[in-house]
Amino acid sequence: DAKTTQPPSMDCAEGRAANLPCNHSTISGNEYVYWYRQIHSQGPQYIIHGLKNNETNEMASLIITEDRKSSTLILPHATLRDTAVYYCIVGASYDKVIFGPGTSLSVIP
Amino acid sequence: DAGVIQSPRHEVTEMGQEVTLRCKPISGHDYLFWYRQTMMRGLELLIYFNNNVPIDDSGMPEDRFSAKMPNASFSTLKIQPSEPRDSAVYFCASSRLVDEQFFGPGTRLTVL
Repeated sequence: DAKTTQPPSMDCAEGRAANLPCNHSTISGNEYVYWYRQIHSQGPQYIIHGLKNNETNEMASLIITEDRKSSTLILPHATLRDTAVYYCIVGASYDKVIFGPGTSLSVIP
Repeated sequence: DAGVIQSPRHEVTEMGQEVTLRCKPISGHDYLFWYRQTMMRGLELLIYFNNNVPIDDSGMPEDRFSAKMPNASFSTLKIQPSEPRDSAVYFCASSRLVDEQFFGPGTRLTVL
């Protein structure tokens, strides 16, 4: 499985956009980029995933570089409820996904 | 839909006892996953099933751990005998494909 590298922690001001980076330089052509988050004491929650193109849903946007070696998850208007650990994962859709340590995002009032 | 259901939510037991964790996946989901989360090791995949068949159990720590999925709506994770180092939060997740996994609320296990 391709490995990902994320900063261990980040801060973001409430109401501002939160941009969470992820490096996955060894990603294979058939591997997707997935993002999950885990709010304290809860199970992880799926956010978004993509293969090559940028993706957007009601929760976030996913920007994948053209060479696919890195991506950014964007929360357009962060709220206090977005404080969580964010996991960037790569894997093929037919195979298991492996969670790394993630980025602990703190949204500051 | 009620989502993934896990029981019990909390379990406290003594070393050496058998522990059984239960999971009911979302109806129509073909994949079921068991994870364990600790502060030291983070979120670890233990085993996953596809159409009730175990596909990859390489994450199961040792023979004391076993998992079954007798039908599409039920799975168990059993630890026998339990040890203090098994204390963790155990999550069950299900998905239609191996992409958007839906996680249950977890079972917090404490082995004294």
